[in-house]
Amino acid sequence: EPEVTQTPSHQVTQMGQEVILRCVPISNHLYFYWYRQILGQKVEFLVSFYNNEISEKSEIFDDQFSVERPDGSNFTLKIRSTKLEDSAMYFCASSPTTLSNEKLFFGSGTQLSVL
Amino acid sequence: AQSVAQPEDQVNVAEGNPLTVKCTYSVSGNPYLFWYVQYPNRGLQFLLKYITGDNLVKGSYGFEAEFNKSQTSFHLKKPSALVSDSALYFCAVRGDTGGFKTIFGAGTRLFVKA
Repeated sequence: EPEVTQTPSHQVTQMGQEVILRCVPISNHLYFYWYRQILGQKVEFLVSFYNNEISEKSEIFDDQFSVERPDGSNFTLKIRSTKLEDSAMYFCASSPTTLSNEKLFFGSGTQLSVL
Repeated sequence: AQSVAQPEDQVNVAEGNPLTVKCTYSVSGNPYLFWYVQYPNRGLQFLLKYITGDNLVKGSYGFEAEFNKSQTSFHLKKPSALVSDSALYFCAVRGDTGGFKTIFGAGTRLFVKA
């Protein structure tokens, strides 16, 4: 089965630094998402992206966060100035459609540690 | 606004016994319901989804889910648990009144003891 790939698998950064998390969605998918999971617990929605713009975002996705699809294959999440509370597992997901019954395909995640 | 509740943090069951992982939901409009499973250090994997009209939905690895509209529930079940079923299970919901996001419950950790 095709996969969503995420790099790096682990990222350690100092507080206040910028980080970019990278994702390659499945090639024929059109809808992209970022979720995060803190300490193996709740999976929280951050943002959805379609047609090169944000479709929806949560309260967590403040001005420190941004997403882009720079080259038609990669989908990136940038955190401009990291905080300790940004430490989490970040998952990228994609889907071929935005039909309400469409499942999401998840990557294996990037574990971000902010020191 | 849509929401999902998984009332149990953890479910323990002996191998070979039936298992149930509970989920209730709240959504505007028609509900689109899903179960995902997460194994250690992995992303979430789709297990099954509710299909309108089918109150019992069958999915991967022998799992099934029972939809109950009056109780707004979508409980995950399996007739005979395996040790390899031990994982973190997430119920998720999406409404049909617009928006692209799928909302996940807090997760239920399933332990199957040999």
